[in-house]
Amino acid sequence: NAGVTQTPKFRVLKTGQSMTLLCAQDMNHEYMYWYRQDPGMGLRLIHYSVGEGTTAKGEVPDGYNVSRLKKQNFLLGLESAAPSQTSVYFCASSYEGRGVDQPQHFGDGTRLSIL
Amino acid sequence: AQSVTQPDIHITVSEGASLELRCNYSYGATPYLFWYVQSPGQGLQLLLKYFSGDTLVQGIKGFEAEFKRSQSSFNLRKPSVHWSDAAEYFCAVGDTGTYKYIFGTGTRLKVLA
Repeated sequence: NAGVTQTPKFRVLKTGQSMTLLCAQDMNHEYMYWYRQDPGMGLRLIHYSVGEGTTAKGEVPDGYNVSRLKKQNFLLGLESAAPSQTSVYFCASSYEGRGVDQPQHFGDGTRLSIL
Repeated sequence: AQSVTQPDIHITVSEGASLELRCNYSYGATPYLFWYVQSPGQGLQLLLKYFSGDTLVQGIKGFEAEFKRSQSSFNLRKPSVHWSDAAEYFCAVGDTGTYKYIFGTGTRLKVLA
């Protein structure tokens, strides 16, 4: 009963390096989301997906890319990491229901530091 | 634009005291509302949700919330707080037009022994 699994849990990068964060869910959820959480700012949506092969931009998409090649996986990429991307990243998924009437299930987060 | 406001950044209560965390939303249609709790180093966990019907909803861990359309509020309550309730609490609304969820900035609860 894994739910939403994020890998890695921690990572330190140097400015300019690239990396990919993986989110996997085993609940057959249609919708998946990537958020970043910064002190005093709550959760801000980076990108999201309403189905396999689809992605859309959230409120803070710059500097990030995503892919949803398989229904159960949602990848978040940083092409050229910047210190401003130091944050805790959360992935969430939800059943489609009638849209957003279903609660989200969250992973435990990835703590990313960019030096 | 749709928004969620949690006016209290920090709240401190004594163990055994009652608790109310405020949440106000701005949304044109009937909202889908949620409260989540986040313990340190963890992801968010659903406490309760409101879609329609009875405006007083019960959740896990003894929490309840009341939807008041006239006040655009969805406040979270607990009659008697336990030390283990110390965490950060987030209110959220589901935006049916965009498939997005809009979160408040959170309220951090401290519980005094």
